[in-house]
Amino acid sequence: DTAVSQTPKYLVTQMGNDKSIKCEQNLGHDTMYWYKQDSKKFLKIMFSYNNKELIINETVPNRFSPKSPDKAHLNLHINSLELGDSAVYFCASSLGQGASQTPQYFGPGTRLTVL
Amino acid sequence: AQSVTQLGSHVSVSEGALVLLRCNYSSSVPPYLFWYVQYPNQGLQLLLKYTTGATLVKGINGFEAEFKKSETSFHLTKPSAHMSDAAEYFCAFLGSGGYQKVTFGTGTKLQVIP
Repeated sequence: DTAVSQTPKYLVTQMGNDKSIKCEQNLGHDTMYWYKQDSKKFLKIMFSYNNKELIINETVPNRFSPKSPDKAHLNLHINSLELGDSAVYFCASSLGQGASQTPQYFGPGTRLTVL
Repeated sequence: AQSVTQLGSHVSVSEGALVLLRCNYSSSVPPYLFWYVQYPNQGLQLLLKYTTGATLVKGINGFEAEFKKSETSFHLTKPSAHMSDAAEYFCAFLGSGGYQKVTFGTGTKLQVIP
């Protein structure tokens, strides 16, 4: 009965490869997020989707493409991976937008290492 | 610009001592404020939140925080630290009025010394 799940938990890959991270929430929430946490633990939002529609797109390279097939899923595809993409990526969900975007429920994270 | 600032990237306390983690916010309108905790190799978990009403907010695991408008602060406290409190703590901010994104502080790592 995991609330927000992510796969894989660890991802090690070579520079230039393309990889995907999957996220699913079973909370019935309308809004989902992708965050990147760097080696200094700084947490930065990348994308947010509300009911399958993109509502936040921070200044993220277009090598990163989120996809939301339904409101319970938000996947992240990364093309042409670079060394600087190494980080922990967290998926999160919330009831909705505005004041309803808190609290956010976080997944366990995916540790991406680019060699 | 609206933001939160966490003072001290590392805080060490002895087991049983008071825990005080500092957070200051910058906002022209009353914000919503939160504290999240991140245990090693895990995602973030909400400890407590302030939206409106009572300025002293109680959270899980014995933590509490007080919203002080005059000091633009939302410091997190716990009377007696436990070894299991060792984690990274994030203050977060949401501006009220209209849709905005939650902004997280840079985090404070709490070390509890036996």
